[in-house]
Amino acid sequence: IAGITQAPTSQILAAGRRMTLRCTQDMRHNAMYWYRQDLGLGLRLIHYSNTAGTTGKGEVPDGYSVSRANTDDFPLTLASAVPSQTSVYFCASSLLGPPNTGELFFGEGSRLTVL
Amino acid sequence: GQNIDQPTEMTATEGAIVQINCTYQTSGFNGLFWYQQHAGEAPTFLSYNVLDGLEEKGRFSSFLSRSKGYSYLLLKELQMKDSASYLCAAAGSNYQLIWGAGTKLIIKP
Repeated sequence: IAGITQAPTSQILAAGRRMTLRCTQDMRHNAMYWYRQDLGLGLRLIHYSNTAGTTGKGEVPDGYSVSRANTDDFPLTLASAVPSQTSVYFCASSLLGPPNTGELFFGEGSRLTVL
Repeated sequence: GQNIDQPTEMTATEGAIVQINCTYQTSGFNGLFWYQQHAGEAPTFLSYNVLDGLEEKGRFSSFLSRSKGYSYLLLKELQMKDSASYLCAAAGSNYQLIWGAGTKLIIKP
């Protein structure tokens, strides 16, 4: 079934470790996004990519980096994890980027716990 | 600043109608989205409004008033499977989405 695949589904990580969350889509969507979702808060955009080869910073980019080497893959890296990065991370994609973004399609999420 | 407000939790009865309100303040406006999110799952798209008025899609309808910075999601003929969180999100001038914290809807038999 076409869609967005995230890995790992869940991970417990020691503070200070490096971690990469993987995201792959097979819908040939141009734009991809990384959000974090924390209890009591709305989804917050970490980084985005409107097209392969370009990336941009969202609302909460500090401590995270992304790359978009091709259309399908959009990994999110935590260089040195801290407990405040404990969250559920969602990767999403849309067929087009702004100004015609439209509907977002989400992966199933990656639950990350930093101890 | 930019802000989205929606009630934290609502309770309704199976078969009834419920209206979930959302107010927003954004720098510029390029549309209002509603998403549904079941517990432990990914959000899924419900509706998009960019012009004032009501958009109907089956049992779900969404309304927008740009002058009031206000939207609502109307769910009719409630079913137990409608128990979920409903997320309101507004696109600002840069088209990035500002999300509300979500309204948890509890359906009782």
